[in-house]
Amino acid sequence: DAKTTQPNSMESNEEEPVHLPCNHSTISGTDYIHWYRQLPSQGPEYVIHGLTSNVNNRMASLAIAEDRKSSTLILHRATLRDAAVYYCRVSRLYGGSNYKLTFGKGTLLTVNP
Amino acid sequence: NAGVTQTPKFQVLKTGQSMTLQCAQDMNHNSMYWYRQDPGMGLRLIYYSASEGTTDKGEVPNGYNVSRLNKREFSLRLESAAPSQTSVYFCASSAFIGGGARGAFFGQGTRLTVV
Repeated sequence: DAKTTQPNSMESNEEEPVHLPCNHSTISGTDYIHWYRQLPSQGPEYVIHGLTSNVNNRMASLAIAEDRKSSTLILHRATLRDAAVYYCRVSRLYGGSNYKLTFGKGTLLTVNP
Repeated sequence: NAGVTQTPKFQVLKTGQSMTLQCAQDMNHNSMYWYRQDPGMGLRLIYYSASEGTTDKGEVPNGYNVSRLNKREFSLRLESAAPSQTSVYFCASSAFIGGGARGAFFGQGTRLTVV
């Protein structure tokens, strides 16, 4: 899988927007961008994914750069429940025999009341 | 749908004891994975199974064995538990190895303490 780079930590205030960046400069044309989050004491959960166009769902929005070498997860109004570790990863459409599902260290998001 | 179910949720073992962590998924996924997560650390891949009948080592396989019993179930065995294996263990599944377009789904974890 393409390597991803994320900041170790970010801080936000409650009810303010949060933009979590991810660099994936070695992404290839058919790779999907996925975001997961891990709430305290829980397993990681899927947040959103995209290929080329920006995506929205009830949890977040995903903005993908035109060259696809970076993406940004947007939480429009952070709540205390959004405090978690956010992981960005890149995955091929149909995987491949050498592709393990590994994760980097992610970004620890702290939300201040 | 239950998604990915792990049993047990909590376990305390004595050093040298053995146990098997169970994982089952009901999403008809081909690939399954076992991870460990130590306090304040990231996820480390122990073993994975790209498809039924195949298993491969991940980043930290020593001290563990796995069995892909069928398409639904993937178990992790500790033959002789050591305090260094105290951790939270997560199982995950995905339609395609490495995640594919739809990504992966995780269980809620098993908290294992070895004393």
